[in-house]
Amino acid sequence: EAGVTQFPSHSVIEKGQTVTLRCDPISGHDNLYWYRRVMGKEIKFLLHFVKESKQDESGMPNNRFLAERTGGTYSTLKVQPAELEDSGVYFCASSARTRRGEQFFGPGTRLTVL
Amino acid sequence: QKEVEQDPGPLSVPEGAIVSLNCTYSNSAFQYFMWYRQYSRKGPELLMYTYSSGNKEDGRFTAQVDKSSKYISLFIRDSQPSDSATYLCAMSATGNQFYFGTGTSLTVIP
Repeated sequence: EAGVTQFPSHSVIEKGQTVTLRCDPISGHDNLYWYRRVMGKEIKFLLHFVKESKQDESGMPNNRFLAERTGGTYSTLKVQPAELEDSGVYFCASSARTRRGEQFFGPGTRLTVL
Repeated sequence: QKEVEQDPGPLSVPEGAIVSLNCTYSNSAFQYFMWYRQYSRKGPELLMYTYSSGNKEDGRFTAQVDKSSKYISLFIRDSQPSDSATYLCAMSATGNQFYFGTGTSLTVIP
């Protein structure tokens, strides 16, 4: 069974540009989560999807961040326009509907905003 | 005050030693407790998952949760060089939004 995959693995953009990160969860997992780790800090929750619906987006830093999960499969996280403080590693995780606490993480996308 | 406190280390032990990793937390509503292992430049790998309190054992790994003290532990027996990684604790009240510690860096010396 394939794990959680994320694309790209690394992105370097300039301040003001737009970047879109993609996450493919484990097949059949209804729950999908986005987290972020800023250098020197702990991993922090951004938002949670159940299928295509946003259940909790309390961790989204501001309205420059837009997450979607059309069709309830893969998810995208768009940052527009990117700021320097958006640099960090963005992780996606997924869990099965009946085992929501058991979250499996992807390898992350390392975003560098110059 | 952070939701979860974890000593960042670094921790260095000889091969075969027993390793004890710990986290404390402040939110008494937490009931889902996780331990992840993360190798450099990789994503967190789920090691142990505990719901509510008590102990859970899986091979060389034992997770303990003491809700009365708001304290969780991960023990690694017969540590191996391949156990060298950063260990992250994470916890949640709902099983959805998890709060992470900053991670403890462990090196097992052959």
